[in-house]
Amino acid sequence: EPEVTQTPSHQVTQMGQEVILRCVPISNHLYFYWYRQILGQKVEFLVSFYNNEISEKSEIFDDQFSVERPDGSNFTLKIRSTKLEDSAMYFCASSDPGQGAIEETQYFGPGTRLLVL
Amino acid sequence: RKEVEQDPGPFNVPEGATVAFNCTYSNSASQSFFWYRQDCRKEPKLLMSVYSSGNEDGRFTAQLNRASQYISLLIRDSKLSDSATYLCVVPTGTASKLTFGTGTRLQVTL
Repeated sequence: EPEVTQTPSHQVTQMGQEVILRCVPISNHLYFYWYRQILGQKVEFLVSFYNNEISEKSEIFDDQFSVERPDGSNFTLKIRSTKLEDSAMYFCASSDPGQGAIEETQYFGPGTRLLVL
Repeated sequence: RKEVEQDPGPFNVPEGATVAFNCTYSNSASQSFFWYRQDCRKEPKLLMSVYSSGNEDGRFTAQLNRASQYISLLIRDSKLSDSATYLCVVPTGTASKLTFGTGTRLQVTL
């Protein structure tokens, strides 16, 4: 069964450093998303991406964050200058507009656990 | 009303029991709804989608009441492997952004 993959599974970084989280969405999917989950809290939407541009972003997704689809398979989230409060699990998700449902089901990757020290 | 609201639990039930979780949502324009399951420190995994009044899949039944803006998930004949957090999820925004509830934790015991 096709699945979303993410690398690395864990990343530890120093405050102020840049990090890039990588995702390979399901191959025929066209919508891509990033979510984050701070330990003990709910999953929060960060950004959605379609047709090589951001479709929607949350208040969390400020100028320190950026997303890119550098090639036909990868989807990346970059945090330019990490803060302590960026420590969280970051989930990538993708969906397929061809499912015929009113709203597409999103499939999540296993996540990258980011720890900012 | 919060965008998506769930009772956090935990619900502690014996194996074989029937358990129901409730969820309310605020966006009356939402057309579809999802229940995801999340195991500790893992990703959310889709359990069920609900587009009309309800959906049944084996031991799991999801029901939707649009007038009351309320979704429920019923699990019959609970198994130890059902122990997890159940997330009520509602698409909102213009690009299928998902809004998650805080989740309801279920612990099934012997």
